[in-house]
Amino acid sequence: GAVVSQHPSWVICKSGTSVKIECRSLDFQATTMFWYRQFPKQSLMLMATSNEGSKATYEQGVEKDKFLINHASLTLSTLTVTSAHPEDSSFYICSARDLQGDQETQYFGPGTRLLVL
Amino acid sequence: AQSVSQHNHHVILSEAASLELGCNYSYGGTVNLFWYVQYPGQHLQLLLKYFSGDPLVKGIKGFEAEFIKSKFSFNLRKPSVQWSDTAEYFCAVNAMQAGTALIFGKGTTLSVSS
Repeated sequence: GAVVSQHPSWVICKSGTSVKIECRSLDFQATTMFWYRQFPKQSLMLMATSNEGSKATYEQGVEKDKFLINHASLTLSTLTVTSAHPEDSSFYICSARDLQGDQETQYFGPGTRLLVL
Repeated sequence: AQSVSQHNHHVILSEAASLELGCNYSYGGTVNLFWYVQYPGQHLQLLLKYFSGDPLVKGIKGFEAEFIKSKFSFNLRKPSVQWSDTAEYFCAVNAMQAGTALIFGKGTTLSVSS
């Protein structure tokens, strides 16, 4: 299957700093990528849809000024958590949409664990 | 709005037992259906997917799922589980429109004892 990478895999930062997470599709081009948040023992919560060359679409309740998304190329989307606070500590997962004809499959990155002290 | 429900929160089985995990969705239109697995400490991996055609879909590692349109269901099955199948299983759905997001069920934890 297609491969999606995320970097970094682990981040520990002080409250008030900004953290950038990269999501790359390694062997396919993805016009659309998605960012999720996963809490312990829970399912994935969609945060935003990232479209190459245009503004991201945020889900209700997700602050777009807090979670900045940039999808500058067909293989890279970045999520920046601005002025991070302890409540932002979580597991952030991206996925990239692989479109084959009219069939689309999302492939997931390994996730980034963020701990804000 | 679309939603996905997985009936079993935690399933505990012995090795060689048969497995069936339930998944139902609510959406009136045509959907794509997926099962993902998350092994401990690892990322989500695609187990199998259904777009159209034969409603019985075979995936990796001996898993299969059957799409029953009339029941809005896409249950996951495996005839004989192994200890290595211990993981979290997620059913997901998206509407058949380009770029729509996946809607996930809450997941089912499968614990297999040897």
